Amino acid sequence: GIQVEQSPPDLILQEGANSTLRCNFSDSVNNLQWFHQNPWGQLINLFYIPSGTKQNGRLSATTVATERYSLLYISSSQTTDSGVYFCAVPDSNYQLIWGAGTKLIIKP
Amino acid sequence: DGGITQSPKYLFRKEGQNVTLSCEQNLNHDAMYWYRQDPGQGLRLIYYSQIVNDFQKGDIAEGYSVSREKKESFPLTVTSAQKNPTAFYLCASSPQVNTEAFFGQGTRLTVV
Repeated sequence: GIQVEQSPPDLILQEGANSTLRCNFSDSVNNLQWFHQNPWGQLINLFYIPSGTKQNGRLSATTVATERYSLLYISSSQTTDSGVYFCAVPDSNYQLIWGAGTKLIIKP
Repeated sequence: DGGITQSPKYLFRKEGQNVTLSCEQNLNHDAMYWYRQDPGQGLRLIYYSQIVNDFQKGDIAEGYSVSREKKESFPLTVTSAQKNPTAFYLCASSPQVNTEAFFGQGTRLTVV
C-alpha cells in the first residue's frame, strides 16, 4: 500500500523563525491534507491541497503531485504553532494513510 | 455551531466492561470515521462508514463495534475483547469518502 513519510521527525525553533516540513508519498494521489494537532489533542485542518500552492496567513503549502511530495511552510513562528503536524493521503480504498508526524516546538 | 462533537472528553473504564463513545455531526456529511491514537504515534483507522446503515472495518477493528443508524451519529463501542483499550479516540467526518475530513476533539479512554 501507499507509504507516507514526514521529515524531520522533530524540530525545535526560536519564536520568529521560519520552518519547512516535508511529506513524501510513495504513489500518486488525488488529494492530500495537512493537520496540526495541538497539545490538547485536537486535530485542526490546515490545508486540503491535491496540487499547487495555498496560503493561509503565516502558513502555506505546496504539493507537487508528479514528484510525490508536499511542503508546509510556517513563517514567523509563534509558540502557539507548537504541536505535531501530520500529512495524510487517501489509499486505493479512499482511506486516509497518515505520516508519523513532525513534532514542532517553538521556544519563546 | 456546525461541527463534530465527541463525548465524553475523558472516560475511565474498569477492565472487563464495555464502553460507548459518542460522535455526532451536524455537517450533513455522508462519511464518518473512528481512529485510535497511542502516545507519540499517528492515527490508525478502526471503522468507517460511507453511508447510513453501512460500515466497514479498518486496520484495527478487533475488539470494537460501531453502528450507523442515523446520518449524524456514529457511536463506537470498546468491548472487553479489546486487549489494550487505553488510548485517544478521534472521530471524523467528510462529505463523501475521498474528500476533506474534519475531526472532533477526541475522547481519552483510560482503563483502570
